[in-house]
Amino acid sequence: DTEVTQTPKHLVMGMTNKKSLKCEQHMGHRAMYWYKQKAKKPPELMFVYSYEKLSINESVPSRFSPECPNSSLLNLHLHALQPEDSALYLCASSQGPGLAGDYNEQFFGPGTRLTVL
Amino acid sequence: DQQVKQNSPSLSVQEGRISILNCDYTNSMFDYFLWYKKYPAEGPTFLISISSIKDKNEDGRFTVFLNKSAKHLSLHIVPSQPGDSAVYFCAASGGSEKLVFGKGTKLTVNP
Repeated sequence: DTEVTQTPKHLVMGMTNKKSLKCEQHMGHRAMYWYKQKAKKPPELMFVYSYEKLSINESVPSRFSPECPNSSLLNLHLHALQPEDSALYLCASSQGPGLAGDYNEQFFGPGTRLTVL
Repeated sequence: DQQVKQNSPSLSVQEGRISILNCDYTNSMFDYFLWYKKYPAEGPTFLISISSIKDKNEDGRFTVFLNKSAKHLSLHIVPSQPGDSAVYFCAASGGSEKLVFGKGTKLTVNP
């Protein structure tokens, strides 16, 4: 299984809503990532979890809250978002740091298209 | 400061010809480079990578060349096919989990 799955595919939410994005992988990868991508821009790293611990937070506003319940799952909890947060949110996974070979090869999910009204 | 640069926002080639996508980087600490392909409304798909200890890596129709002294890499697609039409992102890593992406080049392969 070389797939990263993300749910939901599309999400529309108001600025007062609380919602969560979910990501799952069964490749035995130990690093998982959240990226945000706006139209015609490259993916921007938000968070990295390595061995289920938050290792990188790219100064993301607290209205985005990541969670890694186990090595296969990654969530992104959303609360009080702004319209400018509308974007494609991508999850990725990789073997993780410290391992030989192509450990930085990240596999991406299809993304969640988020619209904040 | 953009550490990974793809200076051509778009490229158009004829089916069967070679496509050459270029990427420059500024950070000499980068030691691993990747190319991703992305269709609209989908996540990026890994294509090919190269470590800084190599200057060439080949996988089928895709070849990546790395020139460390010039801090330049290129992706060659031969022969180009209409299904290759997508946005191609160059990405680089300096030994951490963090990938730095270029802005992408939109490739159009005309039948």
